[in-house]
Amino acid sequence: GAGVSQSPSNKVTEKGKDVELRCDPISGHTALYWYRQSLGQGLEFLIYFQGNSAPDKSGLPSDRFSAERTGGSVSTLTIQRTQQEDSAVYLCASSSDGPSYNEQFFGPGTRLTVL
Amino acid sequence: SQQGEEDPQALSIQEGENATMNCSYKTSINNLQWYRQNSGRGLVHLILIRSNEREKHSGRLRVTLDTSKKSSSLLITASRAADTASYFCATKPTGGFKTIFGAGTRLFVKA
Repeated sequence: GAGVSQSPSNKVTEKGKDVELRCDPISGHTALYWYRQSLGQGLEFLIYFQGNSAPDKSGLPSDRFSAERTGGSVSTLTIQRTQQEDSAVYLCASSSDGPSYNEQFFGPGTRLTVL
Repeated sequence: SQQGEEDPQALSIQEGENATMNCSYKTSINNLQWYRQNSGRGLVHLILIRSNEREKHSGRLRVTLDTSKKSSSLLITASRAADTASYFCATKPTGGFKTIFGAGTRLFVKA
């Protein structure tokens, strides 16, 4: 596609429910990032996928959060037993391979509201 | 803590004035990037400066990098109301693949 897409654009859920957020990166981009941004705050790194390497999960805030990337393309971020503090915009970005230059292309984000 | 820290946190200026935002970081880096975000949604890449570069220009944007002080500045000249947004610096530490974002500067340009 032309850019990174994310779905849904908005998600309202009840506390305790599970949610899945989807990211479609730019075709051919081997690197994929998930970030979380609370209102008026900066980006909080969650997880990073690079090619076939094991993902860098160091930013996941708890074991309720998990992500996978199937076939090196689409990624799904899953939040189990959602809590109110999980409310935020979840941003996905992808970039091309290469250690020295990796401009990230961002999707529009998914705004998650946990009631 | 965040690798990049921007200051000021917020900046309000008149249209036509210049806006300067600063970023400090902690570790050695391969490159430093500046991004812009409108309305709390996706970020847009503005400019990248490599660790061996000291200054870079792109249109009304001027970025400087001082690796000895581990700091960078973004200057927007002749600002416009449409420049109103949040601006983030992002660093890629040497030997790493992860890009780390700062908390951002919220710029408001008054018409």
